[in-house]
Amino acid sequence: DAGITQSPRYKITETGRQVTLMCHQTWSHSYMFWYRQDLGHGLRLIYYSAAADITDKGEVPDGYVVSRSKTENFPLTLESATRSQTSVYFCASSEAGRGDSSYEQYFGPGTRLTVT
Amino acid sequence: AQSVTQLDSQVPVFEEAPVELRCNYSSSVSVYLFWYVQYPNQGLQLLLKYLSGSTLVKSINGFEAEFNKSQTSFHLRKPSVHISDTAEYFCAVSVAQFGNEKLTFGTGTRLTIIP
Repeated sequence: DAGITQSPRYKITETGRQVTLMCHQTWSHSYMFWYRQDLGHGLRLIYYSAAADITDKGEVPDGYVVSRSKTENFPLTLESATRSQTSVYFCASSEAGRGDSSYEQYFGPGTRLTVT
Repeated sequence: AQSVTQLDSQVPVFEEAPVELRCNYSSSVSVYLFWYVQYPNQGLQLLLKYLSGSTLVKSINGFEAEFNKSQTSFHLRKPSVHISDTAEYFCAVSVAQFGNEKLTFGTGTRLTIIP
């Protein structure tokens, strides 16, 4: 299906475990983003990528790792999960300079992660 | 750095009444402004945006927002709300620069429509 998908949609993990959240988009958008959504904080940018093999930190990158070997995929890894990383994670993509869609970010459905 | 302030975390409104959701931003450079909407258990989707030109921008479902540079505001309004407008609304800002796709979001306003 076309669009942006995230997997898993729900995940429960234990403190100290490594967990990877997947994000896949079919539009060949250059930019991809990872956000976390927490009550009272809105959405905060974790990492973003301007193209394959180009990634950069956002506002809250500590404890997270990303990679982008292919344009369509942008996985987010929590190397050693902590309770403070319990959150809803959203992936998004966008493409600059595409007429009416300029600067519009398209969001996935989210992954609800609970760290026990 | 840019920042966005949404002062109202929750706004209850009676059905068919008007509503205004407030958004103020801070930036030392020119910005683009956005309103995103999040329906329950879904991702965000773009409601409307201001990039340049007319300062009044409108969405297809009756919302509108006006860019006010002197007051650094981008308030969202609708003259008559419906039950289906129940959602969380996020204001966002980005630096007005080609190729800069990063957004800074506000903390959101939960709009609840009372029948």
